[in-house]
Amino acid sequence: DQQVKQNSPSLSVQEGRISILNCDYTNSMFDYFLWYKKYPAEGPTFLISISSIKDKNEDGRFTVFLNKSAKHLSLHIVPSQPGDSAVYFCAATGSGNTGKLIFGQGTTLQVKP
Amino acid sequence: DAGVTQSPTHLIKTRGQHVTLRCSPISGHKSVSWYQQVLGQGPQFIFQYYEKEERGRGNFPDRFSARQFPNYSSELNVNALLLGDSALYLCASSLMTYEQYFGPGTRLTVT
Repeated sequence: DQQVKQNSPSLSVQEGRISILNCDYTNSMFDYFLWYKKYPAEGPTFLISISSIKDKNEDGRFTVFLNKSAKHLSLHIVPSQPGDSAVYFCAATGSGNTGKLIFGQGTTLQVKP
Repeated sequence: DAGVTQSPTHLIKTRGQHVTLRCSPISGHKSVSWYQQVLGQGPQFIFQYYEKEERGRGNFPDRFSARQFPNYSSELNVNALLLGDSALYLCASSLMTYEQYFGPGTRLTVT
């Protein structure tokens, strides 16, 4: 049972435009959500997170939006840069379980110059 | 500051053999979690250790075991290797917060 889903395997955008990556979850007990970026031959790198008590969190070019009623979150990257090309994973956790993250399948983002 | 380190980087084993993977957390981090990532999927949780005690276990068979040492480094052991154990094994450390910081992983190939 896939509790965290990223339904778009890939996304291609032009440099300077907005990239929007989407993630859906099914477990209503999740109360903390994270986005990671992964380059080939490297481990995932933490990007940004959001608690369920918020609906938006912003850090530079990255903004995460959370819609709890729809069990949906999204990552916006503005403006997109070629160096942002990577696999992006959405992850969720909750109930004080700080050691266990449930990941989606990932979305490969390609930013074209 | 040094990040999470893992060794070895790559490993090739034969079915039925045993493997030990090692992880050193970020200095000051007492929690270590292990994940398995197969091609095309996201990382899947295997274990969490905190202060040398197991705090969580994912849906993996008993062939998988782990431990944490007094210096907070950790080992993941897999016995009786199967072809399906071929994957990238990731270690992550944290300050017992939700944000986990990952190492580069160990690529295990079972032939």
